[in-house]
Amino acid sequence: ETGVTQTPRHLVMGMTNKKSLKCEQHLGHNAMYWYKQSAKKPLELMFVYSLEERVENNSVPSRFSPECPNSSHLFLHLHTLQPEDSALYLCASSQTSTGKRGELFFGEGSRLTVL
Amino acid sequence: AQSVSQHNHHVILSEAASLELGCNYSYGGTVNLFWYVQYPGQHLQLLLKYFSGDPLVKGIKGFEAEFIKSKFSFNLRKPSVQWSDTAEYFCAVTSLDSNYQLIWGAGTKLIIKP
Repeated sequence: ETGVTQTPRHLVMGMTNKKSLKCEQHLGHNAMYWYKQSAKKPLELMFVYSLEERVENNSVPSRFSPECPNSSHLFLHLHTLQPEDSALYLCASSQTSTGKRGELFFGEGSRLTVL
Repeated sequence: AQSVSQHNHHVILSEAASLELGCNYSYGGTVNLFWYVQYPGQHLQLLLKYFSGDPLVKGIKGFEAEFIKSKFSFNLRKPSVQWSDTAEYFCAVTSLDSNYQLIWGAGTKLIIKP
């Protein structure tokens, strides 16, 4: 049990589908993150929300759309994805205080396959 | 732009062997350094971190890492590995330059033969 729960764990979708990934944290943290994990590549930071406000967006294609309705929930809305978007999508949370920077708590990930 | 380099993508060792995984970063200023571990089928979790002070830091499960500023390195070590250490290990760095977001290495897959 990590304190960060992601659903679904596995998702297969066609290029014309619309789907969403959900993340929920039970740790009382005030920052949440979406990362993309692909084999043999460094983790790619997609979005960061701090106190429910997006503070980072690393030039992610618009077919990925994040939503953070409150400090405990984070969504990643997916539409018209490409096969190269197939990857493990990780949600994480953290405190933003100076001494806790970089200490992220991760969910188990959502394995996305785009056909 | 900052980068983090992990020298080996795959390492295979026998139980009881000593382990050292290399990590180098490119930023010349003040950094915070991390090692994360991902056991098979499990979530990424923090193994150890360096913020300041003693450059030799100890983490969970007998792991330690040494920060050598002159070499821009933060290598992970364990004197005697166990089969349960089979996992993927990620080095990461934060700094003012990265707006304190983690810059990740590509990871090293460690396989321990029983």
